[in-house]
Amino acid sequence: RKEVEQDPGPFNVPEGATVAFNCTYSNSASQSFFWYRQDCRKEPKLLMSVYSSGNEDGRFTAQLNRASQYISLLIRDSKLSDSATYLCVVDRSNDYKLSFGAGTTVTVRA
Amino acid sequence: EPEVTQTPSHQVTQMGQEVILRCVPISNHLYFYWYRQILGQKVEFLVSFYNNEISEKSEIFDDQFSVERPDGSNFTLKIRSTKLEDSAMYFCASSDTGLADNTGELFFGEGSRLTVL
Repeated sequence: RKEVEQDPGPFNVPEGATVAFNCTYSNSASQSFFWYRQDCRKEPKLLMSVYSSGNEDGRFTAQLNRASQYISLLIRDSKLSDSATYLCVVDRSNDYKLSFGAGTTVTVRA
Repeated sequence: EPEVTQTPSHQVTQMGQEVILRCVPISNHLYFYWYRQILGQKVEFLVSFYNNEISEKSEIFDDQFSVERPDGSNFTLKIRSTKLEDSAMYFCASSDTGLADNTGELFFGEGSRLTVL
């Protein structure tokens, strides 16, 4: 089983729509969780950390379910600029030896 | 805004040649990393470096690879005797803290694209 698995998509949504997707991780001892965003052929950039209680940053909401070992990301009121690949990232041991998922591609159309 | 810078942005080399990829981490950062991403695949951890030594490395980081911090600013990845499968984007990253308090952020450079022919 892969360490981090994501639905590759693509999720093709109109502007203003809500889009949500999950990621599962295999190691129950994983410590830290993140969503990164990667634009085509660019470096990954931190979108948000994911906290146990769930957290929100503007239009983005992240949830963590440790019991089922999944993380979710919800994007509300999608903008064209949200088009990107969203990488689910897990750190097993709080040392930035990060395990990346293969990414979920989101395309927001006008 | 401070950033991680990498050179070269793209390097083409012949199989068997040695390559050095250079990175200048953010100046007050203490933890340094190399990741790579083969085209169309996921980002993979290679190595982490702290206090002038490797703190962890993946199974990808075999004897062909080495890292060095030759002075106070540069952090280099050397690949000896490159193979075709080393073709990838190599990302350097740095952080000012470990993740113990879950407040640190990992900053990535724009990457060095290596093409091995």
